[in-house]
Amino acid sequence: AQSVTQLGSHVSVSEGALVLLRCNYSSSVPPYLFWYVQYPNQGLQLLLKYTSAATLVKGINGFEAEFKKSETSFHLTKPSAHMSDAAEYFCAVSDVEGTYKYIFGTGTRLKVLA
Amino acid sequence: GAGVSQSPSNKVTEKGKDVELRCDPISGHTALYWYRQSLGQGLEFLIYFQGNSAPDKSGLPSDRFSAERTGGSVSTLTIQRTQQEDSAVYLCASSLDWRQGNEQYFGPGTRLTVT
Repeated sequence: AQSVTQLGSHVSVSEGALVLLRCNYSSSVPPYLFWYVQYPNQGLQLLLKYTSAATLVKGINGFEAEFKKSETSFHLTKPSAHMSDAAEYFCAVSDVEGTYKYIFGTGTRLKVLA
Repeated sequence: GAGVSQSPSNKVTEKGKDVELRCDPISGHTALYWYRQSLGQGLEFLIYFQGNSAPDKSGLPSDRFSAERTGGSVSTLTIQRTQQEDSAVYLCASSLDWRQGNEQYFGPGTRLTVT
């Protein structure tokens, strides 16, 4: 069964500093991977997705993620944090065996310090 | 175009009462999903509809939970005899179809509080 692990339920960074949010997955084959962001009292918004076309995926708002098969990781990064990046971030995997469910991680709440 | 909408945005109910939560997916999207987001936890899959096919109810936590999708569009999630542990944010999402890799578009959610 597929699973997703997000290390760190809370991450704090200073404004302008590098953002690194970690996501590891378990899968016997390369999966489809997603990062979503959730602002307070809102639904989830897709940041980016990996569908095997390229290992480095660029998303919205300056975020990017790199798929590393050897490490079964799909960490989310942004070179310079902005106050508006404060939100909760979810990593998700879509089963490769023809199903439709997303398996979500437990989320990482990002705090940006002025 | 319009995104996924959900109503009500907030619902407070007494333990033992029934509640109905509504989801309007994006027009033309044939796949619809319900998730539950509890405090400090990730999103828990509840149920999935794809067109006229039988829904996948494998994520429903108990027989108190049920969902319908009328005319392949609007969906209603019903919780009967609510319990305090049902308190959570219920999120609806839709996607163009069931194919893997298709983005799911989420609504803002319904925050359910059972007192």
